[in-house]
Amino acid sequence: GAGVSQSPRYKVAKRGQDVALRCDPISGHVSLFWYQQALGQGPEFLTYFQNEAQLDKSGLPSDRFFAERPEGSVSTLKIQRTQQEDSAVYLCASSLTSYNEQFFGPGTRLTVL
Amino acid sequence: AQKVTQAQTEISVVEKEDVTLDCVYETRDTTYYLFWYKQPPSGELVFLIRRNSFDEQNEISGRYSWNFQKSTSSFNFTITASQVVDSAVYFCALSGDNAGNMLTFGGGTRLMVKP
Repeated sequence: GAGVSQSPRYKVAKRGQDVALRCDPISGHVSLFWYQQALGQGPEFLTYFQNEAQLDKSGLPSDRFFAERPEGSVSTLKIQRTQQEDSAVYLCASSLTSYNEQFFGPGTRLTVL
Repeated sequence: AQKVTQAQTEISVVEKEDVTLDCVYETRDTTYYLFWYKQPPSGELVFLIRRNSFDEQNEISGRYSWNFQKSTSSFNFTITASQVVDSAVYFCALSGDNAGNMLTFGGGTRLMVKP
């Protein structure tokens, strides 16, 4: 497909487990963003990549959160030792450049038990 | 710091009614962008519009129209002759004019259009 894809769509983890969420941006898009959306709220910024460089990670809530985009395309958001408060939808977005509108994927709904 | 406020958490209308979704923003940037996104039950955020802070012209796209008032820091969204398929959560968002352009979202307005 031509849009942003994310996998898995749903993830259930036991507290303390590590999880990895994948994002495939639109082909050719330089910029990639991760957002966290808690139930009933608007998305909140986590981190931003331009190609393979992580230029802003100010939104990551703790050092348990780590993101990478090693080849400037696919990105992975990793959460170590998950906690219940990590339960949310994790949205990935890409844009052609950092000055263009962002297109979002369907999100990964993470539930931590 | 940037902030977006959508005071209406939930609106319910009957099909064919017009409805306006309010958005008020705060920013210290002189150049910025305003956005509206639609989030249907499937969960994917759908881009609707981007407006530059220097362009205060109202915009119309089919049944959708947007009113940008810099003097009141508002960027309101009107749906004319609403349809059931318009039922969704609508988010207003703001970004600065810098590399990265992270979006700051409002809390969203849930619109329910009843037949």
